[in-house]
Amino acid sequence: GENVEQHPSTLSVQEGDSAVIKCTYSDSASNYFPWYKQELGKGPQLIIDIRSNVGEKKDQRIAVTLNKTAKHFSLHITETQPEDSAVYFCAASWGSQGNLIFGKGTKLSVKP
Amino acid sequence: EAQVTQNPRYLITVTGKKLTVTCSQNMNHEYMSWYRQDPGLGLRQIYYSMNVEVTDKGDVPEGYKVSRKEKRNFPLILESPSPNQTSLYFCASGRTSNYGYTFGSGTRLTVV
Repeated sequence: GENVEQHPSTLSVQEGDSAVIKCTYSDSASNYFPWYKQELGKGPQLIIDIRSNVGEKKDQRIAVTLNKTAKHFSLHITETQPEDSAVYFCAASWGSQGNLIFGKGTKLSVKP
Repeated sequence: EAQVTQNPRYLITVTGKKLTVTCSQNMNHEYMSWYRQDPGLGLRQIYYSMNVEVTDKGDVPEGYKVSRKEKRNFPLILESPSPNQTSLYFCASGRTSNYGYTFGSGTRLTVV
């Protein structure tokens, strides 16, 4: 079955710097790759997603890139702000019946 | 407001006392799922449902039951809770399994 590896597990950056979180997946049939942000005491919230027919997607300060050949995808956050501090999860799924398989999460800390 | 509602938010119970955690969504989503979140282990899927009366095991189904009699509700049942089921539980729903999920706010369960 699908396996998703996420790195790093913790990431600390200065406010205004960029942050990059990387994930790799095992099943080449995977075709949907969402990213979730979980703030303290809350459930994960979808922040951006990408499908396998697209190489990059942007939404203001966040972007996701996908390399299907290497089977990895990344989350990029530019001009980080303290409110970006949270745990971020990547996930992957395949086909119309595939469940999302989540990475173990990255705790991002943005220092003012 | 589109949302997934879980109840209760917090629950302390004793070993062996049957309990139910309710989950309801108002988005007419076909897909619903339960996860448990433990430190260092990320989000692990317990059970999922592709539609009414269709349920299947996830990665960690032992000790749990679910039912999907109506599209909007997907309760999680612990027939005989044990201390190793102490965890943070999340319910999620999506248009399909291969689409962005909406998560509930979580249920923190402690079994003593």
